[in-house]
Amino acid sequence: DAKTTQPTSMDCAEGRAANLPCNHSTISGNEYVYWYRQIHSQGPQYIIHGLKNNETNEMASLIITEDRKSSTLILPHATLRDTAVYYCIVRAIIQGAQKLVFGQGTRLTINP
Amino acid sequence: NAGVTQTPKFRILKIGQSMTLQCTQDMNHNYMYWYRQDPGMGLKLIYYSVGAGITDKGEVPNGYNVSRSTTEDFPLRLELAAPSQTSVYFCASTLTGAGNTIYFGEGSWLTVV
Repeated sequence: DAKTTQPTSMDCAEGRAANLPCNHSTISGNEYVYWYRQIHSQGPQYIIHGLKNNETNEMASLIITEDRKSSTLILPHATLRDTAVYYCIVRAIIQGAQKLVFGQGTRLTINP
Repeated sequence: NAGVTQTPKFRILKIGQSMTLQCTQDMNHNYMYWYRQDPGMGLKLIYYSVGAGITDKGEVPNGYNVSRSTTEDFPLRLELAAPSQTSVYFCASTLTGAGNTIYFGEGSWLTVV
């Protein structure tokens, strides 16, 4: 089954780029990688998703390796409000149904 | 669109009581999910539904029941509340198609004492 592995925690200085890695070595060809974040215990907030090409939106960039076994979420200019738990999720087909496979997430702390 | 709406936001239950967590979405999504999140942990799938009348178990279904009589609603029922069910519960919805965004509700905090 699809599985994601992320570092437990990371720190980043305010104003710098935060680069959050994710390993998804068992991902299948038609499975998307999604990134969400969770601030305190609020509902997960969508950030970005991609299949094989790099993606960019107003919040972040997503870099997916050519073999699709890993990806990196980039927050280009981190602010204190970006402190949160970031989840890398594979949207997988399991037993014929679409399921979201959550890892443990990375607790990102932005320091002033 | 209101998105995914969960009620109640907070609830305290006594051991053995029953209750229903409500989830409704107004985006005509066919997929709906219920997750629970214990302190400091990731989200675990309880039940999911691929459309009205169709539900299936996730990783941690014991102690819960669901129904999906309409596209919009996906209630989660706890029949005999136990302290192990103290958690934050999240409902989510999306459309078929791997590239469609998944929307989450704001969560329901449940404490069983």
